[in-house]
Amino acid sequence: NAGVTQTPKFQVLKTGQSMTLQCAQDMNHNSMYWYRQDPGMGLRLIYYSASEGTTDKGEVPNGYNVSRLNKREFSLRLESAAPSQTSVYFCASSRTGRRNTEAFFGQGTRLTVV
Amino acid sequence: KNEVEQSPQNLTAQEGEFITINCSYSVGISALHWLQQHPGGGIVSLFMLSSGKKKHGRLIATINIQEKHSSLHITASHPRDSAVYICAVRGTGNQFYFGTGTSLTVIP
Repeated sequence: NAGVTQTPKFQVLKTGQSMTLQCAQDMNHNSMYWYRQDPGMGLRLIYYSASEGTTDKGEVPNGYNVSRLNKREFSLRLESAAPSQTSVYFCASSRTGRRNTEAFFGQGTRLTVV
Repeated sequence: KNEVEQSPQNLTAQEGEFITINCSYSVGISALHWLQQHPGGGIVSLFMLSSGKKKHGRLIATINIQEKHSSLHITASHPRDSAVYICAVRGTGNQFYFGTGTSLTVIP
């Protein structure tokens, strides 16, 4: 049981380049999330998906797009990377509709935009 | 204003000390989580609680729903406890709100 798997773990991009961060979970969770973590700011929600085929903007969606390909996978795309997007990105998943449910996190992707 | 506030931001302790990290929140919640993040590593869930107290080894988490406050205690701290501890709450919807974390260093 792998839990939440994120790829890649590290990435360096030049300003203007595009890339997709991949996330997959094998726990049959409906809800999936993309967060970014910056020093002193805690985790901030970029996008959220409550179920396959649905996505919603979080606190900091600008510059990102997401795709919920199926129940397992939730990808995050940077169309034109900017230095302000240098951050650590975490994918997470949880069950939907149950009060007491844990969130499970991927190992994170450390992205640097130069 | 953050929905979740943690204190202290940084904490240094001698091995063996009793440690307390505090978390206050301002939103209605269905559950509160304590997470642990090691340097360069991922985030793992330590506790999920909606009332009372939970214990796992040397770690104890408590929550007071009326006061909207939770504490994470570490007894007999050890250098391997050095990590960032994050308080998170699950709102009444499906979203999570996170504190900025407490960076703990335990010195041998």
